Amino acid sequence: GAGVSQSPRYKVAKRGQDVALRCDPISGHVSLFWYQQALGQGPEFLTYFQNEAQLDKSGLPSDRFFAERPEGSVSTLKIQRTQQEDSAVYLCASSIRTAPSLYGYTFGSGTRLTVV
Amino acid sequence: AQSVTQLDSHVSVSEGTPVLLRCNYSSSYSPSLFWYVQHPNKGLQLLLKYTSAATLVKGINGFEAEFKKSETSFHLTKPSAHMSDAAEYFCVVSKAAGNKLTFGGGTRVLVKP
Repeated sequence: GAGVSQSPRYKVAKRGQDVALRCDPISGHVSLFWYQQALGQGPEFLTYFQNEAQLDKSGLPSDRFFAERPEGSVSTLKIQRTQQEDSAVYLCASSIRTAPSLYGYTFGSGTRLTVV
Repeated sequence: AQSVTQLDSHVSVSEGTPVLLRCNYSSSYSPSLFWYVQHPNKGLQLLLKYTSAATLVKGINGFEAEFKKSETSFHLTKPSAHMSDAAEYFCVVSKAAGNKLTFGGGTRVLVKP
């Protein structure tokens, strides 16, 4: 597609519920990233994929967070047993290169997760 | 390790006057530096990037930034603010040829008519 597509746009979850957030990167983009943006703050890195390989998951805040990209295109971020502190906007970004800082990233509009 | 400090959380300017958004960075490596803009309910849009070429970088919509290694700064400027510039701006650092981005806390710009 023309841009990075994320769904759903908004998600309200009851505390303890599992959620799955989807990211459709630009076709052919090798690198894919997930970021978490809490209200009033800058985005923080969660995890990075190069094709289907998850090369860096150092930013995942707990073992309740899990990400996958099984075929090297669409990615899913799953949060189990959601807590109120998980409320944030989850951003996905993709890049055509394996060294994206030189070539740029394209961000999606994000999924706003609210845990009640 | 790398970090970014945006010195102002809010900036208010009048339409037609200059805009200055201040950013200082810390990096153990030769950095790549970026400015992104985020309008409400929109995705992050790249304004400009520095990747060790010219120290004065020109971006979209009349914005430019100057990389000053001695001051570890990468301030963003625009000579004349427009109402459409009202948004949140993020200064971002990455290891050159790296992947992970480190964002500053953001500066919210208000443009008064």
